[in-house]
Amino acid sequence: ELKVEQNPLFLSMQEGKNYTIYCNYSTTSDRLYWYRQDPGKSLESLFVLLSNGAVKQEGRLMASLDTKARLSTLHITAAVHDLSATYFCAVRQTGANNLFFGTGTRLTVIP
Amino acid sequence: NAGVTQTPKFQVLKTGQSMTLQCAQDMNHEYMSWYRQDPGMGLRLIHYSVGAGITDQGEVPNGYNVSRSTTEDFPLRLLSAAPSQTSVYFCASSYGVPNEQFFGPGTRLTVL
Repeated sequence: ELKVEQNPLFLSMQEGKNYTIYCNYSTTSDRLYWYRQDPGKSLESLFVLLSNGAVKQEGRLMASLDTKARLSTLHITAAVHDLSATYFCAVRQTGANNLFFGTGTRLTVIP
Repeated sequence: NAGVTQTPKFQVLKTGQSMTLQCAQDMNHEYMSWYRQDPGMGLRLIHYSVGAGITDQGEVPNGYNVSRSTTEDFPLRLLSAAPSQTSVYFCASSYGVPNEQFFGPGTRLTVL
C-alpha cells in the first residue's frame, strides 16, 4: 500500500513570509495532486503534476514534483491571510486508478 | 452546470440501519469515487468507478457497496451502519482516470 506523508502537520506563519510544505510518498507514482480545504468545506483542486520536474504556479502557490526522490513541495510566497486552509497532497500509484491522500497540513497565516 | 451534488448533507443513523448516500455529476466524467474523511487521517478512498458498469474497491471498502448504472450517478450504500462509519463522506469525479477531481459538498454522517 502506498504511504503518503506530509509535513509539517500544522504551520503557523506571519503574513509576508515564505514557507514550504513537503509531501513524501513510498512507491512509484505517475501523478501527484494538491488540494485545498477550507474549514467545514469541500476540497478544491489546486494542481495536478504529471512528470518528473513538473512545476506549476498559481498566484502565491507553486508546486513541484521530483519523482526520483518521491517528493513534492508546495511553496507559499509572501503569505496572506486568505491562504489559511488545510492543504492535502494525494498520489496515484503508477498504473493504478486509486489515490492515496496525505493527512494534510493546516496552515494559519497570522496578520 | 451543477458540478458534483451529494444528498443528504447531514444524516443520523442508528447502529444496524442501512442507507444510501447519493452522488451525481453533470460533467460527463468517467471517473467517480467515494472518500471518507476522519479527523487526523486525511481522505481515504472507499470505492471508485472508471465508467458505467465498472466499480472497484479502494483502501477502506468494508461495510460499503456501490454500483454505477449510469455515467451521472454513483450511489454509496451502507449495509448495516456501525459507529465506526461516523465520518464525512465526499464524492468526486474527474475526466479521465483520474485527472483533476471535482469534489461534492460532502455528507456528514453520524451513527449512534
